Amino acid sequence: GQNIDQPTEMTATEGAIVQINCTYQTSGFNGLFWYQQHAGEAPTFLSYNVLDGLEEKGRFSSFLSRSKGYSYLLLKELQMKDSASYLCAVNSGYSTLTFGKGTMLLVSP
Amino acid sequence: DGGITQSPKYLFRKEGQNVTLSCEQNLNHDAMYWYRQDPGQGLRLIYYSQIVNDFQKGDIAEGYSVSREKKESFPLTVTSAQKNPTAFYLCASGLSVGHGYTFGSGTRLTVV
Repeated sequence: GQNIDQPTEMTATEGAIVQINCTYQTSGFNGLFWYQQHAGEAPTFLSYNVLDGLEEKGRFSSFLSRSKGYSYLLLKELQMKDSASYLCAVNSGYSTLTFGKGTMLLVSP
Repeated sequence: DGGITQSPKYLFRKEGQNVTLSCEQNLNHDAMYWYRQDPGQGLRLIYYSQIVNDFQKGDIAEGYSVSREKKESFPLTVTSAQKNPTAFYLCASGLSVGHGYTFGSGTRLTVV
C-alpha cells in the first residue's frame, strides 16, 4: 500500500525559517510534489523532486532522499500569507498522485 | 485562457438525493481526476479517467459514479448510497512531469 506521513500542525514566526517533513512508503516512485492550499481553495503547485537533492525556488526549497523515503519543504523569510496547509504528494509510477494529510502551518507576527 | 472549471462552488443536498458535480477543462488533457477532501484527511482519490469512454475506481469509489463521454468533461454523481457525502470535492486534470495536476476551484457539498 501507499503511506505518506507529515506533521499535522506547525507554528512559526514571521521572518523565520520552517522545515516541513514528509516520509513516504510507496510501491514505486516517479516523483514527489509539494502543494500549498489556503482554506477553501484549490491546492497550488510549489515544487517537484524526482532526483535526490535540493531544488530551490525563491523563498521555497524542497529536498528529496529516495533511499530514505524522505522529503522536506523549506520556507524562508516567512510571511503571514504563508499560513496555509502544505501537501506532500507522491507519484508512485501510476497515473495518479497519492497525497499526505497535509501540514497546517500557522505564521504569527 | 485555458483552465479547469468546477460548478457549482457550493451545493446543498437533501439526504437520499443524487447530485451531480460538474468539471470541465479546455486544456486538452487526456487524464482527469476526482478527489474528496475532509478536514484532517488530505485528498483521497474517488475516480479517474485517462481517456474518453474509460475510467477507473480510486480508493473511495463506493457511492459515487462518473462518466467520460467527452474529453473536456468528467462529471461526478454523488449517489444516495454515499453515507457521508459532506466534503470538499476537487477535480483535476493532466499529470505533467514537473508540474503535477491542474486543479479546479472545488465544490463544497453539504447534506442538509
